[in-house]
Amino acid sequence: EADIYQTPRYLVIGTGKKITLECSQTMGHDKMYWYQQDPGMELHLIHYSYGVNSTEKGDLSSESTVSRIRTEHFPLTLESARPSHTSQYLCASSSSGRGTDTQYFGPGTRLTVL
Amino acid sequence: GIQVEQSPPDLILQEGANSTLRCNFSDSVNNLQWFHQNPWGQLINLFYIPSGTKQNGRLSATTVATERYSLLYISSSQTTDSGVYFCAVYAGGTSYGKLTFGQGTILTVHP
Repeated sequence: EADIYQTPRYLVIGTGKKITLECSQTMGHDKMYWYQQDPGMELHLIHYSYGVNSTEKGDLSSESTVSRIRTEHFPLTLESARPSHTSQYLCASSSSGRGTDTQYFGPGTRLTVL
Repeated sequence: GIQVEQSPPDLILQEGANSTLRCNFSDSVNNLQWFHQNPWGQLINLFYIPSGTKQNGRLSATTVATERYSLLYISSSQTTDSGVYFCAVYAGGTSYGKLTFGQGTILTVHP
């Protein structure tokens, strides 16, 4: 299993605040992903990166932004949080160099915006 | 885009029972993964199985890519098997590497 970490695990903040969700992986994976999941629902891809300085928007439109300055780090930022952003955010990574491209997921961040 | 459908949506079992979960997908896929999401929200890899059959303890999975479905078998279920089981696929081409998830099967195992 890959080692992939997310902080914070839980976050409750007020409307209008700027937040950054952290995601790091120690396996040297070139690809990283952010998914959004509402309770009891399927996951939707919101951002992905195929390497340093590469970021793309996913299938679900999101007001968040991401950056990939280092291979191991893929933070997600919300400039002004709103209650509609309340959800679980899951980070994942994979390595195209190993042939299987299996994605491994972090523990997630549960975000509540009041 | 590719569509992924899982069945049944909900499943309730007594401990010790066996079950089969199904995943249908609408187009050719390069890869397919099964996950278990525990009550704390963590997604745990069960199988990477674009084709063929794999087994891991009480769990096994079979993917028939030509017929566009995959099955997850759980034998002698335990209460710790409870949670949501997701199937996810890679559609390939320009979307290579991006997982599309099914809506999940919620499994509840009673003691």
